[in-house]
Amino acid sequence: QVQLQESGPGLVKPSDTLSLTCAVSGYSISSRNWWGWIRQPPGKGLEWIGYIYYSGSTYYNPSLKSRVTMSVDTSKNQFSLKLSSVTAVDTAVYYCARTGSYNYFDYWGQGTLVTVSS
Amino acid sequence: EIVMTQSPATLSVSPGERATLSCRASQSVSNNFAWYQQKPGQAPRLLIYGASTRATGIPARFSGSGSGTEFSLTISSLQSEDFAVYYCQQYHNWPRNTFGQGTRLEIK
Repeated sequence: QVQLQESGPGLVKPSDTLSLTCAVSGYSISSRNWWGWIRQPPGKGLEWIGYIYYSGSTYYNPSLKSRVTMSVDTSKNQFSLKLSSVTAVDTAVYYCARTGSYNYFDYWGQGTLVTVSS
Repeated sequence: EIVMTQSPATLSVSPGERATLSCRASQSVSNNFAWYQQKPGQAPRLLIYGASTRATGIPARFSGSGSGTEFSLTISSLQSEDFAVYYCQQYHNWPRNTFGQGTRLEIK
């Protein structure tokens, strides 16, 4: 059974960098899937942040591209997200997810709420 | 960017009745289209991909249809656990996939 679990600080100060990790179990991150981050501000809809492949190839949402860095650690079967220079608008539940055969999201982590506040 | 527009924003239906949710794409996405269900405090769950293929473990009362720019999700006989928010998503323009704003399905 594929499982994903996000971890990281729940509170980040404005202008700091948000850092999250997604641990994958029950499936090799080196398989032929892209791995993604999606976020959801409180009471709002879903926004994709970016994708990473086990090789390290990435795609980022153009609206966040200047602030986003994603990385992968195949030895730990996990991937990570960094979002720099955060403000209150970055407050959201952050999800990690696996893309299926045709790039829909078929497995999701439970999500982690990150609040940007001083 | 392909804009996905869901309607209605809120749909009130009685248990046991049929519900139909709609989603329109601003340009053709062929059948590169998915539906997700999200309950409060939970992650979205994949229901339908390829516009009409049910994901693993999804009950047969959920069905998807459409192609191009017009799509619908039908729940044939609503159960109590089906009341949730539903999102559509296009992945035709991957990686620039986009979601709709959601339809809240509530108990009438």
